[in-house]
Amino acid sequence: GAGVSQSPSNKVTEKGKDVELRCDPISGHTALYWYRQSLGQGLEFLIYFQGNSAPDKSGLPSDRFSAERTGGSVSTLTIQRTQQEDSAVYLCASSPGTNPFGDNEQFFGPGTRLTVL
Amino acid sequence: KNQVEQSPQSLIILEGKNCTLQCNYTVSPFSNLRWYKQDTGRGPVSLTIMTFSENTKSNGRYTATLDADTKQSSLHITASQLSDSASYICVVSARGNKLVFGAGTILRVKS
Repeated sequence: GAGVSQSPSNKVTEKGKDVELRCDPISGHTALYWYRQSLGQGLEFLIYFQGNSAPDKSGLPSDRFSAERTGGSVSTLTIQRTQQEDSAVYLCASSPGTNPFGDNEQFFGPGTRLTVL
Repeated sequence: KNQVEQSPQSLIILEGKNCTLQCNYTVSPFSNLRWYKQDTGRGPVSLTIMTFSENTKSNGRYTATLDADTKQSSLHITASQLSDSASYICVVSARGNKLVFGAGTILRVKS
């Protein structure tokens, strides 16, 4: 498959537990983004990786959220001590270009639906 | 404040009918505007991209318009099909800034 893949597709966890969400971008794409999509809301930017540069973490809602991108490819979004308000669909996207929010199309994965009980 | 507002929130139409979705934005300075289609349980897929100088762009039965003066865009769907049922998201990019996403319009096409 040539698209962006994410795992798991669904995750149910208990309040207070930690979760890890995985994103495999399209091969060769240098840019990778994480978004959160809550019911009835627009996509909310979380974090952006571009090559070996320091990530743009300005969208992370709290210090419970962190993300890594290893070897410029796979990325993991970690949410510690999950809260019920963290329940949402977490989308990952990748892009081939170096202009982070310009004309380069972002290709989205199918998302991970997180439910915190 | 950079914002993108879409209307209507949801829409139900009969198969074969046309419809138009609206997007108003206050993003500045404007770089480009994309319409995405998001099927249930899937990630968004880009339909069209429009820059400041473009006022119409088509992709099959989808036609997007842009009025940069009034900061409005529309997405017109012609001869709707059941497979058009999805959420349609308007995304505006500001130069040197982040993407601003609208909340989307949920379209349901009934037979």
